[in-house]
Amino acid sequence: EPEVTQTPSHQVTQMGQEVILRCVPISNHLYFYWYRQILGQKVEFLVSFYNNEISEKSEIFDDQFSVERPDGSNFTLKIRSTKLEDSAMYFCASRGDRSSEDRPQHFGDGTRLSIL
Amino acid sequence: QKEVEQNSGPLSVPEGAIASLNCTYSDRVSQSFFWYRQYSGKSPELIMSIYSNGDKEDGRFTAQLNKASQYVSLLIRDSQPSDSATYLCAVRSNFGNEKLTFGTGTRLTIIP
Repeated sequence: EPEVTQTPSHQVTQMGQEVILRCVPISNHLYFYWYRQILGQKVEFLVSFYNNEISEKSEIFDDQFSVERPDGSNFTLKIRSTKLEDSAMYFCASRGDRSSEDRPQHFGDGTRLSIL
Repeated sequence: QKEVEQNSGPLSVPEGAIASLNCTYSDRVSQSFFWYRQYSGKSPELIMSIYSNGDKEDGRFTAQLNKASQYVSLLIRDSQPSDSATYLCAVRSNFGNEKLTFGTGTRLTIIP
């Protein structure tokens, strides 16, 4: 069964450094998302991406964050200058077109980001 | 602020019994509802989705939706120890590209 893949599985970075998290969505999916989950807390929406542009973003997704789809397969999340509070699991998700009523999002295994 | 509320648990259920998980949501225009299972340290895994009032069954799982009461539930029949996990209720927005809003999750433990 096709799946969303994320790399790396664990990233350790010094505070203030830039970090790029990578995702390969399911190949025929058109809508892409990033979520994060701070340890012990709920999964929170960060950003959605369609047709090579951001379609919605949350308050969390400030100027330090950016997303990009540099080629036909990868979808990246960049944090420009990391802060201690950016430590979390980051999940990439994707879904297909609008024809399915349910339109479920499928999640990757996540990247655990640890800021020191 | 659109909210999704779940009882955080823990909910303990004997093996073989029915586990009942509940979720309420505040946004009346929400249209689709999802139950994800999350094992500790792992990603959310889709279990069930539902968008029409009533019941939807898939194997041992039944999702129930009542839009008038803004309530969605998940029943797990013949509970197995492998069902022990946190169950996340997620609600899909009708706007933009339809982000999911998650509850905090209910931690379920199946007792052998």
